[in-house]
Amino acid sequence: DTGVSQDPRHKITKRGQNVTFRCDPISEHNRLYWYRQTLGQGPEFLTYFQNEAQLEKSRLLSDRFSAERPKGSFSTLEIQRTEQGDSAMYLCASSPWNQRSNNEQFFGPGTRLTVL
Amino acid sequence: GESVGLHLPTLSVQEGDNSIINCAYSNSASDYFIWYKQESGKGPQFIIDIRSNMDKRQGQRVTVLLNKTVKHLSLQIAATQPGDSAVYFCAENRDSWGKLQFGAGTQVVVTP
Repeated sequence: DTGVSQDPRHKITKRGQNVTFRCDPISEHNRLYWYRQTLGQGPEFLTYFQNEAQLEKSRLLSDRFSAERPKGSFSTLEIQRTEQGDSAMYLCASSPWNQRSNNEQFFGPGTRLTVL
Repeated sequence: GESVGLHLPTLSVQEGDNSIINCAYSNSASDYFIWYKQESGKGPQFIIDIRSNMDKRQGQRVTVLLNKTVKHLSLQIAATQPGDSAVYFCAENRDSWGKLQFGAGTQVVVTP
């Protein structure tokens, strides 16, 4: 257990429905990342926050995806009008990030999304 | 294009032997590399990292080697155990913001 938690662990939804995932990072970590992983592939970067500010979004993050970190602690990732291609494992990671450390990222267990 | 990739998709190792997992990267500007282990149904677990100003770094039963001349990274696991069976990813940090670029992964299978 890395200390990063995600909820739910599994989500099955029908195409067209909206889903929201939550990530609770390690409490003292100011950086939070979202990645998506499909079977047999490495995680792909989606977006990240430093405190409450969203600093970068991948081109993978279509307009149907939105992420927030309102108080600089937990984060939510919402997918609107889900499509079958959204089926994947959604991973959250956090890191302390400062110029003196290597800023290793610690991952949560992920949320497995299945869109029927 | 720029990429991080692995040479072997599956590595079968006998228990007690040493394992070597290889990774190639193409961006000479990358300055930070991490190896992760991922077991089925779990998130990636940090194993060891190395900065580009180093050639070698050792942890508990693991060693990471970095050859910047040929842009090659390897992970050595000593005395491989059944619990080492997992998918191993190398990841590359290409900028100061900490965004990671992952390779496709190598499945390590430890046989008795």
